[in-house]
Amino acid sequence: QKEVEQDPGPLSVPEGAIVSLNCTYSNSAFQYFMWYRQYSRKGPELLMYTYSSGNKEDGRFTAQVDKSSKYISLFIRDSQPSDSATYLCAMSDGNQFYFGTGTSLTVIP
Amino acid sequence: NAGVMQNPRHLVRRRGQEARLRCSPMKGHSHVYWYRQLPEEGLKFMVYLQKENIIDESGMPKERFSAEFPKEGPSILRIQQVVRGDSAAYFCASSPQGLYPYEQYFGPGTRLTVT
Repeated sequence: QKEVEQDPGPLSVPEGAIVSLNCTYSNSAFQYFMWYRQYSRKGPELLMYTYSSGNKEDGRFTAQVDKSSKYISLFIRDSQPSDSATYLCAMSDGNQFYFGTGTSLTVIP
Repeated sequence: NAGVMQNPRHLVRRRGQEARLRCSPMKGHSHVYWYRQLPEEGLKFMVYLQKENIIDESGMPKERFSAEFPKEGPSILRIQQVVRGDSAAYFCASSPQGLYPYEQYFGPGTRLTVT
């Protein structure tokens, strides 16, 4: 079983839609949870960073962590064509970082 | 504040040659991580370094791969006697020491092609 599972998609939504991206994990030692956005042929860009359980909001983006279910989510409100990218979840137990395989998102104008 | 710098951006090597990938972390960052990204497989951790120290190299293949982060200059990921299976995108990330040590900022990557 992989440390981090993420549905690769692809996910295609119309502009203005609410997007929900999710990851599950198996290691209960994970305490740090991150979401990255990666455009084609570029390096990942840190979007959100959360410690332990709870919600965190930043503009159109909301990150949720449910440690009891070992499940994290990223919500994108009012999605824009510029949001089209691959979204990677990442987690850390304080030592290494573990990444999901990424979900490819396309927002159609 | 310049971001994480990696060079070269593209590197072509023939089987058996050596590949050297360089990473300059963001100013003020003292932690460097190297990752390999293969299509459909996501980012895989290779090694975690601080200045003059390898902290965790559990993700590094035991042979042909080495990494360093000297007191002066960039971090280097070195692959000796490259094989076709080494073809991938190699990303470096850096993070600050202190309040948020688990934020990582990635460079643009080096795409290695082994012919």
